Amino acid sequence: QQKVQQSPESLIVPEGAMTSLNCTFSDSASQYFAWYRQHSGKAPKALMSIFSNGEKEEGRFTIHLNKASLHFSLHIRDSQPSDSALYLCAENNNAGAKLTFGGGTRLTVRP
Amino acid sequence: EAAVTQSPRNKVAVTGGKVTLSCNQTNNHNNMYWYRQDTGHGLRLIHYSYGAGSTEKGDIPDGYKASRPSQENFSLILELATPSQTSVYFCASGDRGGERLFFGHGTKLSVL
Repeated sequence: QQKVQQSPESLIVPEGAMTSLNCTFSDSASQYFAWYRQHSGKAPKALMSIFSNGEKEEGRFTIHLNKASLHFSLHIRDSQPSDSALYLCAENNNAGAKLTFGGGTRLTVRP
Repeated sequence: EAAVTQSPRNKVAVTGGKVTLSCNQTNNHNNMYWYRQDTGHGLRLIHYSYGAGSTEKGDIPDGYKASRPSQENFSLILELATPSQTSVYFCASGDRGGERLFFGHGTKLSVL
């Protein structure tokens, strides 16, 4: 079983909607959490990251981290068709320079 | 923008053959990584390296070897390729403690 689990596996939302993607991890010692975005046929690209409990906002994107509940999430406000992609969450528990990824959520934003 | 280049872009290999995937980075990052991506599994770490001469096993190292002859280059070697190794392979580089990674465009490998 993967150490990092994502839900849902796929999601279809209308343009302008709020989108929420979820990620759970199993190691409470994890130090660093990130979201990557991968458009079809392209390389994954870092989107946002967070180190400590709380919330971080950058434009239309907000990430939440709750270490006690082993959960972090990505929220996209006013979703756009260009946001359609595979979203990957990742964590680093500081056991070496390893970044462990979840299985991904495929987001489709309908115009 | 950090630059990571992989070669080849596409590769067809025969079962039992040897395959070498190459990766070059011009970012002067200490750390380099090889991941494979299969539907439903996200990115799974095969091998990684902290610098020239170093290789470390990732989460799924069986059937793969890695080589880091220089700061810039990191290779993934399949000595005896099997059909189960058909996948898309991504190389990445990063600095510090494995935070922000920069990925190459991927190599699509088919083992027949």
